[in-house]
Amino acid sequence: GAVVSQHPSRVICKSGTSVKIECRSLDFQATTMFWYRQFPKQSLMLMATSNEGSKATYEQGVEKDKFLINHASLTLSTLTVTSAHPEDSSFYICSARVQGAWEQFFGPGTRLTVL
Amino acid sequence: AQSVTQPDIHITVSEGASLELRCNYSYGATPYLFWYVQSPGQGLQLLLKYFSGDTLVQGIKGFEAEFKRSQSSFNLRKPSVHWSDAAEYFCAVGRTGNQFYFGTGTSLTVIP
Repeated sequence: GAVVSQHPSRVICKSGTSVKIECRSLDFQATTMFWYRQFPKQSLMLMATSNEGSKATYEQGVEKDKFLINHASLTLSTLTVTSAHPEDSSFYICSARVQGAWEQFFGPGTRLTVL
Repeated sequence: AQSVTQPDIHITVSEGASLELRCNYSYGATPYLFWYVQSPGQGLQLLLKYFSGDTLVQGIKGFEAEFKRSQSSFNLRKPSVHWSDAAEYFCAVGRTGNQFYFGTGTSLTVIP
């Protein structure tokens, strides 16, 4: 089956620094990638949708200047949390899908802790 | 507005017992419905999906779900639970643009 990886799996950073999370589709070309945020014991909240070569579409309430998304190739999307603060600590999950298909393949997630 | 409700936050069942996880949705059009399972520290794995046709859908790991339009439900079932089924289960509705709305999840504990 299709595999999506995320790197790093876990990151701890100091408040005010920026953190980049990578999402890669390993064995297929992902025309669309999605970024989710999951708080403890809660559901996945869609943050943004990114299509290869285009600007990401952000969900209402998500700061686009805070969460920079780049989808430069059909196998890689990155999420950069800029000037991270403790309230940005969360589990970030990406997913990827092939054009024309409904199914999304999810990465294992990245645990971000901001001190 | 679209929404997905999973009324049970946490369920405990004995190994070998049957399981039913509830999911109700609110969606204006014919929904695309999904069940995912998330084990600790793992990504979400698709158990099954419903797009159209037969309302009883078979999935992986012995799971099945039934779409009931009259009740706006898509409940997940398994006749005999295994200890390895302990995980978090999410119901999701697909919307225009291939984006998903997820329910709040049901945590399953399996006791020996």
